[in-house]
Amino acid sequence: AQRVTQPEKLLSVFKGAPVELKCNYSYSGSPELFWYVQYSRQRLQLLLRHISRESIKGFTADLNKGETSFHLKKPFAQEEDSAMYYCALSGGSYIPTFGRGTSLIVHP
Amino acid sequence: DTEVTQTPKHLVMGMTNKKSLKCEQHMGHRAMYWYKQKAKKPPELMFVYSYEKLSINESVPSRFSPECPNSSLLNLHLHALQPEDSALYLCASSQTRGQLDGELFFGEGSRLTVL
Repeated sequence: AQRVTQPEKLLSVFKGAPVELKCNYSYSGSPELFWYVQYSRQRLQLLLRHISRESIKGFTADLNKGETSFHLKKPFAQEEDSAMYYCALSGGSYIPTFGRGTSLIVHP
Repeated sequence: DTEVTQTPKHLVMGMTNKKSLKCEQHMGHRAMYWYKQKAKKPPELMFVYSYEKLSINESVPSRFSPECPNSSLLNLHLHALQPEDSALYLCASSQTRGQLDGELFFGEGSRLTVL
């Protein structure tokens, strides 16, 4: 079985502060991890996936197999980063399992 | 065209009505999905079609009936729904490079209200 845990339902920070959205996973095989983002009134879209190792909109995420984590980080949060963020794991079935999501609010 | 298009955007129906949600993509993706999303909750997988064949049905009640007429279209037929079925219904597609690719392309969704 595969499981994704996002411990924080809500994360509130001020503009310019660092932000870290936590994601832990449970999967016995070799996982593929994703972060999806849903801005207000916009479609759910891929932010980044671990195999691409890209930095998108200043966000990065590193897969830590020892800690089974894939935390999303940004050094300086912007107001436009306010959104719902979902961590997802694609395991044996290749269909992503989504975490419950973390709502990020960036205050001016 | 890199979008998944869903129609209608909003739908209000009674419990005895029959309606359909439609989804279209022209990215050449051969896997298409239906998800249900309640407010501030993650998407819940309902159905997966791979090469126009139903490959996954997540124990969805029979009042939801999916259909994949061709590689670009996906329908969800609705009949005798309950008020608790009110939700945002999301369509998604993905590539299939020998296996399903976990990168999903989502539509904007159809917001369904059952009275």
